[in-house]
Amino acid sequence: GAGVSQSPSNKVTEKGKDVELRCDPISGHTALYWYRQSLGQGLEFLIYFQGNSAPDKSGLPSDRFSAERTGGSVSTLTIQRTQQEDSAVYLCASRGSAANTEAFFGQGTRLTVV
Amino acid sequence: GENVEQHPSTLSVQEGDSAVIKCTYSDSASNYFPWYKQELGKRPQLIIDIRSNVGEKKDQRIAVTLNKTAKHFSLHITETQPEDSAVYFCAVSSSNTGKLIFGQGTTLQVKP
Repeated sequence: GAGVSQSPSNKVTEKGKDVELRCDPISGHTALYWYRQSLGQGLEFLIYFQGNSAPDKSGLPSDRFSAERTGGSVSTLTIQRTQQEDSAVYLCASRGSAANTEAFFGQGTRLTVV
Repeated sequence: GENVEQHPSTLSVQEGDSAVIKCTYSDSASNYFPWYKQELGKRPQLIIDIRSNVGEKKDQRIAVTLNKTAKHFSLHITETQPEDSAVYFCAVSSSNTGKLIFGQGTTLQVKP
C-alpha cells in the first residue's frame, strides 16, 4: 500500500477482554515498531521487529502484552485481560532496512477500555 | 538502555519569534536524530533529520544542530507561524540496533 495502515481505527472493549490491533507496514519495509501514546503524552516504545531477528520486547509494560509479525510483513499487537490504564492510542511505524532512514507512522488505533 | 530527555515540555511564543527545543541522549552509539511534528489528532510526521557525520542541517525555517560530544541536539524554528503549533518529538536511533526511541514531546503554541 501507499502508507502504513492500522486497523481498527477505534476499538472500545470491556475490561478483562482481549484485543488485537493490526499493522500493515509499507511494502518492503523490514523494520516495524509499536508505540503507545496516552492522552497528551509522549511516544512510549513497546516493541521493535527487524527482519528475521528476534524482536526487541523491552518496552512491553506487562506480560499481558504481546506482538507477532508474520512473514516479515503484517504485525498484530495483542493485549490480554485489558485494563482501563491500557486506554491509549497505539501507533505503528515502519522503515527500510537502514537504521538512519525515515520511519513512517500509521494513523493509530484508539483503544478505550470501559 | 537508551534514554532521551526533551525540554521544554511546553513552549509558547509570539508569531515571528524563534523557538528552540533541546534533547539529550545517553547512548554514544546513536547516529541518527530525527524530529517529528504531530498535529492534533494526526500521526507524527518527519520534519527534519540529521546524521552523526554532520553538525547542522537547515531546511527553510527549521534547522537542527548536533553536538555528539555533549550528546545533545536541538531543533530551531525561525519566524514562527500559527501553523507551526503542534507537538514536536525528537528521537534517536543507532545502526547497531535500529531501535527508535522518542523524547517526551514539546507542545509548541505560536500566538498570532
